[in-house]
Amino acid sequence: DVKVTQSSRYLVKRTGEKVFLECVQDMDHENMFWYRQDPGLGLRLIYFSYDVKMKEKGDIPEGYSVSREKKERFSLILESASTNQTSMYLCASSPPTYEQYFGPGTRLTVT
Amino acid sequence: ILNVEQSPQSLHVQEGDSTNFTCSFPSSNFYALHWYRWETAKSPEALFVMTLNGDEKKKGRISATLNTKEGYSYLYIKGSQPEDSATYLCALYSGNTGKLIFGQGTTLQVKP
Repeated sequence: DVKVTQSSRYLVKRTGEKVFLECVQDMDHENMFWYRQDPGLGLRLIYFSYDVKMKEKGDIPEGYSVSREKKERFSLILESASTNQTSMYLCASSPPTYEQYFGPGTRLTVT
Repeated sequence: ILNVEQSPQSLHVQEGDSTNFTCSFPSSNFYALHWYRWETAKSPEALFVMTLNGDEKKKGRISATLNTKEGYSYLYIKGSQPEDSATYLCALYSGNTGKLIFGQGTTLQVKP
């Protein structure tokens, strides 16, 4: 059974903190993605990676960075968390061109 | 920037009603159209991946059609049940970028 896991379901951080969100998939997928979901805006792509150490900016990369040192793990980093980064963060993985498999999401609150 | 539009934004129906909603997308650069169901407190799950003009896919009471020439897809739910309550997302895979572009979703609430 396909599995994408995220390190936390709920997270509360203070403004200015450095935040790490971890995502692990066990399907040997090449592609991995980070999205955020906000009411009325759908899923917006932050960054994606199509191979180890490779990354591409999505539609809203500002304030975020990513790391992919191993194929199964894709980390999203908020260098200095701000209140406008309060959101639901979803990780996904997929083989090239196929449907995406999503993790359970991390609801991040920045106070 | 490619834009994917879904309508309506939300829908409330009674148990047993049939319903449908729309996903519109630019017909150029089309490679595939995905439909996902996202239930509260769960992960989005893929319903369909559609690639050919005129494609029709079915899974139980849920079906979808695709028109790539005019740039739309319809999702139908026959005899809605409370367990169908979820947000339904469509996403365009344009192929040349490797990314999915999501619509904002249609949230369906089915009342018993």
